[in-house]
Amino acid sequence: QIQLQESGPGLVKASETLSLTCTVSGVSISSYYWGWIRQSAGKGLEWLGRIYASGNNDYNPSLNGRVTLSLDTSKKLCSLQLTSVTAADTAVYYCARDMSGSGWFDPWGQGTPVIVSS
Amino acid sequence: EIVLTQSPATLSLSPGERATLSCRASQSVNSYLAWYQQKPGQAPRLLVYDASKRATGIPARFSGSGSGTDFTLTISSLEPEDFAVYYCQQRSNWLPLTFGGGTKVEIK
Repeated sequence: QIQLQESGPGLVKASETLSLTCTVSGVSISSYYWGWIRQSAGKGLEWLGRIYASGNNDYNPSLNGRVTLSLDTSKKLCSLQLTSVTAADTAVYYCARDMSGSGWFDPWGQGTPVIVSS
Repeated sequence: EIVLTQSPATLSLSPGERATLSCRASQSVNSYLAWYQQKPGQAPRLLVYDASKRATGIPARFSGSGSGTDFTLTISSLEPEDFAVYYCQQRSNWLPLTFGGGTKVEIK
């Protein structure tokens, strides 16, 4: 059974870098694309990007290059870094498997809330 | 960016009734549309992808239809566990993938 578990600091100061990790179990992390999606009251569900073990990745252009995804196949971790955060980055952050690179997400992790403070 | 507009925002129905949810795209997405269900405090769950294919383990009462710009998710007979928020998502235009604003199905 595939399981994903996000973890992170919960609270980040404005202008700093947000770092989150997603621990993957039950499947080879090297065999799939992995995506990050966030959910906020103001913007609903927003796709942030996806990454494959080969290094292929895609990012949401609206983030203006602030997001970087990486994989650690030995530790079965997918990581997200978001630089220069503002209050608009306050959201619940989810990692999810991108089914066969299709752009459909299944399953999702339980999500981790992040608050950006001033 | 492809904008997905879901309607209605809220649907008030009783258990056993039929639910019909709509998702309209700002331009054609062919059949590259998915539906997700989200319950309070939980992550979204994939229900339907490629407009009409049910995801693994999804009951047959959930069905998706449509192509181009107009799509429908139908729940044939609402069970108590189906009261939730439903989102559509497109993958026709990758950059970026986008989601609709959601339809809440609530108990009448």
